[in-house]
Amino acid sequence: GDSVTQMEGPVTLSEEAFLTINCTYTATGYPSLFWYVQYPGEGLQLLLKATKADDKGSNKGFEATYRKETTSFHLEKGSVQVSDSAVYFCALRGGYNKLIFGAGTRLAVHP
Amino acid sequence: ETGVTQSPTHLIKTRGQQVTLRCSSQSGHNTVSWYQQALGQGPQFIFQYYREEENGRGNFPPRFSGLQFPNYSSELNVNALELDDSALYLCASSAGDRGNEQYFGPGTRLTVT
Repeated sequence: GDSVTQMEGPVTLSEEAFLTINCTYTATGYPSLFWYVQYPGEGLQLLLKATKADDKGSNKGFEATYRKETTSFHLEKGSVQVSDSAVYFCALRGGYNKLIFGAGTRLAVHP
Repeated sequence: ETGVTQSPTHLIKTRGQQVTLRCSSQSGHNTVSWYQQALGQGPQFIFQYYREEENGRGNFPPRFSGLQFPNYSSELNVNALELDDSALYLCASSAGDRGNEQYFGPGTRLTVT
């Protein structure tokens, strides 16, 4: 069945460092791909999405490119801030409107 | 525009009891999906309701059931609670049952003792 695998955390960075969180997926066809962010004590917020191969999703300085050759959707940011500390989830849209999530990667950014 | 709301925020139940969680969808949304997020894991799809009918279900036993009302709000019911049911339960609403962005509520934290 469809699945998402993302790098284990925690990822600990200093402010202004470069961020990469790896995500790969297994699916039939070419599903839409998403990154969600979860701040402490809150629900999920959509960070960015891509609906077809080679699409680049971007928001708030974060970017991810849909790579069908490598079935990947890695999240990147050039300069992280303390306020980016959160848990990040990679997801794909399966049958109907079901979202299939990875296990999440915790990011901690220190001043 | 009011976002997705869920109630209660937290609750504690005893093994074997029953629980009902509630979700109010965002204005204009007719689809509600429920997810279970165990501690340290990603959310798992429980089921989806579209226009008051269940039209998609994940790998959860029948003791997980739901309802959607004419105003598109929804309930998740869990019978015969087990310790492993302790989790954050997330509700998401969307406009239509496929292809549209899901907006998540803050969740209900259920603890089963």
